[in-house]
Amino acid sequence: DAMVIQNPRYQVTQFGKPVTLSCSQTLNHNVMYWYQQKSSQAPKLLFHYYDKDFNNEADTPDNFQSRRPNTSFCFLDIRSPGLGDAAMYLCATSRTGGGYEQYFGPGTRLTVT
Amino acid sequence: GQNIDQPTEMTATEGAIVQINCTYQTSGFNGLFWYQQHAGEAPTFLSYNVLDGLEEKGRFSSFLSRSKGYSYLLLKELQMKDSASYLCALHQGGKLIFGQGTELSVKP
Repeated sequence: DAMVIQNPRYQVTQFGKPVTLSCSQTLNHNVMYWYQQKSSQAPKLLFHYYDKDFNNEADTPDNFQSRRPNTSFCFLDIRSPGLGDAAMYLCATSRTGGGYEQYFGPGTRLTVT
Repeated sequence: GQNIDQPTEMTATEGAIVQINCTYQTSGFNGLFWYQQHAGEAPTFLSYNVLDGLEEKGRFSSFLSRSKGYSYLLLKELQMKDSASYLCALHQGGKLIFGQGTELSVKP
């Protein structure tokens, strides 16, 4: 089935140790998003790609970076994770244009020790 | 800002009907989404309202009133599996702006 895949589902990293989260999609959608969701809170958009055009949210910390080497893959890099970065990280995709729903991956739960 | 407000939590009985409200303050948006999110899982799409009025899809219906800055999600014939968080989200500038979600507990 066409879908959004995130690996790993659970990731443990040490304070300050760089970590990369992966997302891939078989939907051939041109827009990909990364959200951070903390417990009992709304998903918070970190950045999104419109094709190869990168769009960073104004309040996304510099500690968070992203790469999109091709249509199918997108990566979230956290350069120096802090305890406050422990959260669920959700990848989503959509087609261009208004009204197209976002399809979410299962998420990666990040723990920082 | 968008100031999207939803009740934090609600409880309802299996077989009953429940209405989850969402109010917002924004200057403009394309439409309003409702998503369902079970604990530890990704949000899944329920509905999308662009025009004012009611959109019905099986047991779930969603309503939008742009003039009143108000939407609701109506769940009928509640089932235990409907226990989840329900998120309303404004579609604005190609992005989704989520409310904090309403945690619905369905009791037997």
